Amino acid sequence: EPEVTQTPSHQVTQMGQEVILRCVPISNHLYFYWYRQILGQKVEFLVSFYNNEISEKSEIFDDQFSVERPDGSNFTLKIRSTKLEDSAMYFCASSYRSYNSPLHFGNGTRLTVT
Amino acid sequence: SQQGEEDPQALSIQEGENATMNCSYKTSINNLQWYRQNSGRGLVHLILIRSNEREKHSGRLRVTLDTSKKSSSLLITASRAADTASYFCATDGRLNRDDKIIFGKGTRLHILP
Repeated sequence: EPEVTQTPSHQVTQMGQEVILRCVPISNHLYFYWYRQILGQKVEFLVSFYNNEISEKSEIFDDQFSVERPDGSNFTLKIRSTKLEDSAMYFCASSYRSYNSPLHFGNGTRLTVT
Repeated sequence: SQQGEEDPQALSIQEGENATMNCSYKTSINNLQWYRQNSGRGLVHLILIRSNEREKHSGRLRVTLDTSKKSSSLLITASRAADTASYFCATDGRLNRDDKIIFGKGTRLHILP
């Protein structure tokens, strides 16, 4: 069964550094999402992306965050200048349709900012 | 906010018993979905129930939806050790260009041997 893959599985970075988290969504999916989960807490929506543009974003997704689909397969989340509070699990998800369609999640990237 | 809130936050039951988790939400939805998350892993979709449906089954899972009360329940029958996980309800407001699915805080389910 096709699956969403995320790399790396764990990223350690120093405060102020830029990080890029990578995702390969399921190939025929058209809608892409990033969520994050601070340890043991709720899963928070960051951003949705369709047709090469952001379709929705949360208040968490400020100017330090950006997303890109640089080619036909990858979907990336960039954090320009990481803060300690950015430490979390970051999950990529994709779906085939925009509604009545479940999200398929990757296994996440654990980001640790020191 | 359309965020769902699960109840209880944590639940421990004996293997073989039924587990019931509830979810309440605040605004109109297109559908409601339930997901499972094993520790350190991504979320796995379990079941989707549309706003015009009242009940749905999938294997040992039974989901109900009451849009008048803005609530849903997930029943897992004959629980197994492998059901130990966190369970999240997610409200889908992606109709009307609200392009996101919002997750609740989850219920941590522990199945005791």
